[in-house]
Amino acid sequence: DAKTTQPPSMDCAEGRAANLPCNHSTISGNEYVYWYRQIHSQGPQYIIHGLKNNETNEMASLIITEDRKSSTLILPHATLRDTAVYYCIVLNYNNNDMRFGAGTRLTVKP
Amino acid sequence: NAGVMQNPRHLVRRRGQEARLRCSPMKGHSHVYWYRQLPEEGLKFMVYLQKENIIDESGMPKERFSAEFPKEGPSILRIQQVVRGDSAAYFCASSPKEGLRTQYFGPGTRLLVL
Repeated sequence: DAKTTQPPSMDCAEGRAANLPCNHSTISGNEYVYWYRQIHSQGPQYIIHGLKNNETNEMASLIITEDRKSSTLILPHATLRDTAVYYCIVLNYNNNDMRFGAGTRLTVKP
Repeated sequence: NAGVMQNPRHLVRRRGQEARLRCSPMKGHSHVYWYRQLPEEGLKFMVYLQKENIIDESGMPKERFSAEFPKEGPSILRIQQVVRGDSAAYFCASSPKEGLRTQYFGPGTRLLVL
């Protein structure tokens, strides 16, 4: 079973920032926070990952709290094509164990 | 650098037939993972393989399902004597050999059992 908790759905207006929360209160020191998304029925797409520092790439920003028990994925300017299910996953570096939960269904509205 | 490739993209089988799903990892990747996604559900881990070795098959059904990743060629997920409940999308992912093994996914194979 997944080690993360996410809201089942969220809406966001086109052009606004989408902030997707994730709780991972049982995360351990050697576990990374990963985000993927799945658009319609396509294969999951890697977005970003982090250990304890905030991270940013061309797709998104990842904010991890100091105690590492929660994180937020930020899509700075959401577009209609960002409508997808977003998965927050905790990955154990040693055993490469990655478990998908139900994710958050983000709907970007015009 | 081509991404993870899976074929066929769609596969139709009648009950009792065999299904063979193929996955070619990204260049330079030697780890392969298979996941199954039932309609309206999340991805479920099935098996993790390295070249010629099964590392973790804790998510594989005990019967009818097998996976291999030979020294040469793609990884194969094989389902024998398919049943209607096997209808699903099967995704393959690959990751590098060294360092943090971020997984990159293929487009999936949609299996329909009639």
